[in-house]
This record gives sequence, C-alpha cells and structure tokens, in this order.
Amino acid sequence: QKEVEQNSGPLSVPEGAIASLNCTYSDRGSQSFFWYRQYSGKSPELIMFIYSNGDKEDGRFTAQLNKASQYVSLLIRDSQPSDSATYLCAAFTGGGNKLTFGTGTQLKVEL
Amino acid sequence: EAQVTQNPRYLITVTGKKLTVTCSQNMNHEYMSWYRQDPGLGLRQIYYSMNVEVTDKGDVPEGYKVSRKEKRNFPLILESPSPNQTSLYFCASSPNLVIAFFGQGTRLTVV
Repeated sequence: QKEVEQNSGPLSVPEGAIASLNCTYSDRGSQSFFWYRQYSGKSPELIMFIYSNGDKEDGRFTAQLNKASQYVSLLIRDSQPSDSATYLCAAFTGGGNKLTFGTGTQLKVEL
Repeated sequence: EAQVTQNPRYLITVTGKKLTVTCSQNMNHEYMSWYRQDPGLGLRQIYYSMNVEVTDKGDVPEGYKVSRKEKRNFPLILESPSPNQTSLYFCASSPNLVIAFFGQGTRLTVV
C-alpha cells in the first residue's frame, strides 16, 4: 500500500462547478498535509496545508482533513480553466521529516 | 528576489560520468530537499536536510549523494549515473516544515 494515494484522473468538471480532489494516507502518525498544484513542465506550487481535523478555507480553496478515516481532500469552488493542472497531495511520513507525495490527480476544467 | 536556483536546467550525460546538480537558496531557509519526478510515479523525495551538516534519506536515495556544508547550498551528486536516473529533478527549501519554495527543475537524461 502506498503511503499517500490519489486517483490519477483525469477529473473533468465544467467551468464554475466545484472540483473535489481526494487523497488517502496510510501512516497514522502523519500530522501535516499539503496540496500542491503543478502545471505541465513547471514546479509544484503550494496551495494549502492543513494540520487539524476539519476544514480550512483560503479563497476558492478548501482543504478538509479527517484523521480518523485517514483522508484529505481539496475542494475548488467556481472552477476556472486556469485551474486545469495536476494536483499533488503530500504528507510527512515515517515519523520524521520525510515528505511523501501521491502520484497526483489531473484536473480538467472545461468551458 | 527570493528564489531557489537549480543548475543546470537541462543535462544530457553518459552512463558512469559523475555529475552534480546545484541548488542554492537566498532565503536563509533551514530545510532543503531534493525530489525526482517520473511519469506515473509522481514526486519522490531523494534526500532532505534539516540544517547544515544534517541530512537524511528520503524514499529513493540509492545512487545519489548530497552534502550541506553551507545553509544556502544543497548539491545533488550522482557518482555513477545510470539510465534509470533519467528524470526531472526538483530542489526545494523552506524555513519550516511547509515546503513552499521549489526550484525550476533540472531535466536529466542519462544515455
């Protein structure tokens, strides 16, 4: 079992809709979770990080963490074509400071 | 301008010829790390460093070396590159354990 898992997609949503991206993790000791956006051929950009159970909102983005169920999600409201990218979920695993990424979910926002 | 600089951006080399990819940051960050990105496998951490002279293995350290003699620099060394090290490499730095600053990437091809 991979430590951080994501559905590779692609996930297609119409412009203006809510995009929901999900991630599960296996290490119950993980405390810090991150969402990155990556355009093809570019560096990852940090969108959100979350440490506590519940929701964290920043503009059109909401990160949700459920430690009991070991999942993290990212909601993108009012999706725009410019949101089309690969979204990477990451967590510190192994009880230390090693950052483990999921394989990413490709999001396509269609006009 | 705050940045993480990697060099070179592109490199084609031959099997067995030692090479170094440099990474430098001008933000006085303590945490630095290296990743490789391969299709279908996502980003995988190679090594990370919590501070000067403190380095630790990530998920895929085999075939790589690092050093952290100064805070600003964190070079990645391939003593004897092999074709399976052909990949896109990213360096990152951060002041804490929120990894937000990535370099532009180095595309390495080993023939």
